[in-house]
Amino acid sequence: NAGVTQTPKFQVLKTGQSMTLQCAQDMNHEYMSWYRQDPGMGLRLIHYSVGAGITDQGEVPNGYNVSRSTTEDFPLRLLSAAPSQTSVYFCASSSHGGFSNTEAFFGQGTRLTVV
Amino acid sequence: AQSVTQLGSHVSVSEGALVLLRCNYSSSVPPYLFWYVQYPNQGLQLLLKYTSAATLVKGINGFEAEFKKSETSFHLTKPSAHMSDAAEYFCAVGAGGTSYGKLTFGQGTILTVHP
Repeated sequence: NAGVTQTPKFQVLKTGQSMTLQCAQDMNHEYMSWYRQDPGMGLRLIHYSVGAGITDQGEVPNGYNVSRSTTEDFPLRLLSAAPSQTSVYFCASSSHGGFSNTEAFFGQGTRLTVV
Repeated sequence: AQSVTQLGSHVSVSEGALVLLRCNYSSSVPPYLFWYVQYPNQGLQLLLKYTSAATLVKGINGFEAEFKKSETSFHLTKPSAHMSDAAEYFCAVGAGGTSYGKLTFGQGTILTVHP
C-alpha cells in the first residue's frame, strides 16, 4: 500500500518557469489537500478538494492552480514560479469516515527552490 | 475560523525527563485536534487525535494529550524522553462538515533531547 505519493522529491526552477507537482493516493480518499511548509510558520493550506471535480482555495492560493479529474490524483501547478514559492510542499489525503477517520495521510514532500 | 498556537518554537529536555509541548486552539465549532510528528526530511506522521470521545488520548511512542475545553488546550506529554523523540511536532485543528480533512496547523515545536 503506497499511501500518498509525491513527485518529484526535489526541484529547482528559474523565476518565471512553470511546473506541476504530482500527488497520487491509492486509499480511495475523498479529500485531498496541498500545504506548503516554511520555517516558523507550520503548514499552510494552499488548495483543497472534497472529491473529483471539486476544489477550493485555502489560506495561500495565489500563484497556484489545481484540478481534480480523478479521485486518485491532485496535481498542483505553478504557472510562473517566484522566489517566494521556495518551500517544501506536502500533499495529504483523508477520508470522510466519521469521527474516527479524520486523520490526514501525508506524502513525503517536494522540496522546491526557485532561483 | 480556527487557529492554533504552539507555545515555544524550541523545547530542550534531557533523556528520561518529562516532555511537555503546549498547544492552544481556537475553534467556532467542536474541534478535532491532532498532534503530528515530523522527522528530518520526512512527511508528517500522526501521533494521536482527539475526536470528542475520551479527553485523555493516548498515541504512539508513549505520547498522550489531554483535551481541556475550559482552557482550549491540547498539550502533548511523554513521561520519559528518548533520543529518538527528537523531531518537530505540530498541533493541528480540523473542522467537520464539508471541511473534513482541512487542517489548520500551529507553527511547530522542535524537540531536542540531550543525553
